[in-house]
This record gives sequence, structure tokens and C-alpha cells, in this order.
Amino acid sequence: AQSVTQPDIHITVSEGASLELRCNYSYGATPYLFWYVQSPGQGLQLLLKYFSGDTLVQGIKGFEAEFKRSQSSFNLRKPSVHWSDAAEYFCAVGSTDSWGKFQFGAGTQVVVTP
Amino acid sequence: DTAVSQTPKYLVTQMGNDKSIKCEQNLGHDTMYWYKQDSKKFLKIMFSYNNKELIINETVPNRFSPKSPDKAHLNLHINSLELGDSAVYFCASSQEGGLRTQYFGPGTRLLVL
Repeated sequence: AQSVTQPDIHITVSEGASLELRCNYSYGATPYLFWYVQSPGQGLQLLLKYFSGDTLVQGIKGFEAEFKRSQSSFNLRKPSVHWSDAAEYFCAVGSTDSWGKFQFGAGTQVVVTP
Repeated sequence: DTAVSQTPKYLVTQMGNDKSIKCEQNLGHDTMYWYKQDSKKFLKIMFSYNNKELIINETVPNRFSPKSPDKAHLNLHINSLELGDSAVYFCASSQEGGLRTQYFGPGTRLLVL
């Protein structure tokens, strides 16, 4: 069965420290991978996506993610977090055999401390 | 300019009532979606329309009925509201559907009392 797992429900990080959010997927077909961010009371905003090509993807707000097929992972990273990065982060996966049906992970809540 | 907009933003209603949520996108996309986000933030797709045609219809009670009057609009009507319908409902749109990036609206927070 297809699945998306975000192992960390909650992460606390100090402002200026690095951040890594994990995403693992299980898909039969070639996965198309996305990271979205949801600020409190807001909708989801796309951070970055991976369809093919270079496995290291750059996104907005200084985020990047690396696709590792051998580990079925698409982890999101930021070298130095800002207080405004406090939000809920969702990994999403689509595939060529599931038209439009993105499957979302359960989300990781990031708290940024001073 | 708001790309994907939803109305109302908040909706508080009694059990048994019928309510509608409206969604409009000005991105020129031809595919629109409805998602439900539960209290644990889990996001699950409900419906998708492509060029006014229903493409995705997940396991959703018949009380939920989407309607797409044109490509820019996708409304969600809910009959006989139940307590379990309380959630945040997100509309999204994409170009041509499939694996295109989906752009989300701000959400409608529904509370059924």
C-alpha cells in the first residue's frame, strides 16, 4: 500500500540552528514529492518539489530537500532557522498511477525558540 | 490578488443544518480539489474536478456534494451536518491535474455544535 510517513510529530529548534524534517514514502510507481508549509491559521504553501533530475532541490525561504531513492526519503533541511519558520510542515507524494491524488504525511510541527 | 479564495473563512452551525462552502481560483487552472483536515492536522483529499468533470471521488458520505459551475469555481455543499464534520476544509487548484503543483486556499474552519 502507498504511504507517506513523517516520523517526527513535533520538533523544537533554536533560532539560528539547523533544521531537518524527515519524510519517508512507500510507492510502487515513480514518486513525485512535495513539501508544503502551513503557518498557523493559514493555508498550505508550496516550499519545493521534486519530479526528476538533480536529487537536491532548492525551494523558497532558504529550504532545500534531497531525494534518496535507496532510502525512500525526501528530507527537508534549512541551515539556519528563523522565528518565522515556526509552522506545520507537510510532505506530500503523488505518482503517475494516482492522478491528482496527493497523499500527505501527518505533518511535523516546528517550534522555534529564542 | 488572491489566487485561491474560499468563503466563508469560519462557519459555526448546528447539527442537522445544511451549509455550503465556496471556492474560486483566478489562476486559470482547470483542476480543483477539496481536502479535509481533521483535528490532528491530517489532510485527506475528498473530491477533484477537471474541466467541470468529477475525477476523484474518495470515500466521502453522500451528504457531501461538490458542484463546479465553471472551471474557476468549486463549491462544497454539506447536508445534515454532523459533529464529525467539524474540520478545516481546503480548496486547491492545479493546472491540468495529475502531478502538477496544487495551490491551496486559506481554508474554511467548520465547527458543528
